[in-house]
Amino acid sequence: EAAVTQSPRNKVAVTGGKVTLSCNQTNNHNNMYWYRQDTGHGLRLIHYSYGAGSTEKGDIPDGYKASRPSQENFSLILELATPSQTSVYFCASGETWGEAEQFFGPGTRLTVL
Amino acid sequence: QQQVRQSPQSLTVWEGETAILNCSYEDSTFNYFPWYQQFPGEGPALLISISSVSDKKEDGRFTIFFNKREKKLSLHITDSQPGDSATYFCAASGTNAYKVIFGKGTHLHVLP
Repeated sequence: EAAVTQSPRNKVAVTGGKVTLSCNQTNNHNNMYWYRQDTGHGLRLIHYSYGAGSTEKGDIPDGYKASRPSQENFSLILELATPSQTSVYFCASGETWGEAEQFFGPGTRLTVL
Repeated sequence: QQQVRQSPQSLTVWEGETAILNCSYEDSTFNYFPWYQQFPGEGPALLISISSVSDKKEDGRFTIFFNKREKKLSLHITDSQPGDSATYFCAASGTNAYKVIFGKGTHLHVLP
């Protein structure tokens, strides 16, 4: 069965600190995504990747970087965390573009104080 | 620009009733419409999907009705159960699209 895991599940950070959220998938999917979910906004795409070594900007990339060192791993990096980045972050993987199911991880709840 | 709109934001029905969740979109190039179900504390999971060549897709108690001309679709949940209480996201993508566009979701509450 498809499996996407995220770590940590919960994180408290201080303003100005660096935060790294990690995602691992065992589906051997080429495509991976980072979303944030906020009340009233649904799911918004931050960064995505076509495969190892690639990262692309999504709809709200400002303040975030991404890294895809391997097929399995996709990280989201907040170099200088701000309180506005307090949210729940979801990683997802998918096999192809278009008509393809996205498999989501359980989410990381990030609080920036 | 919000390209996928959902209504209502919140819906409460009694057990056994039919819940109707609505969705509309703007981009006529969208041709694939998945619905995702999300329980509290979990990530979304694909529930049912439809392509634009069909006007109806059924899977057990869940049915999508699709109106291409009006760019509208709806998810009908018949014989609603308390276990169906969740947030439902309508989404859309086009052929070779690099991403799926999600609506803001409908929170469904099914009362026993």
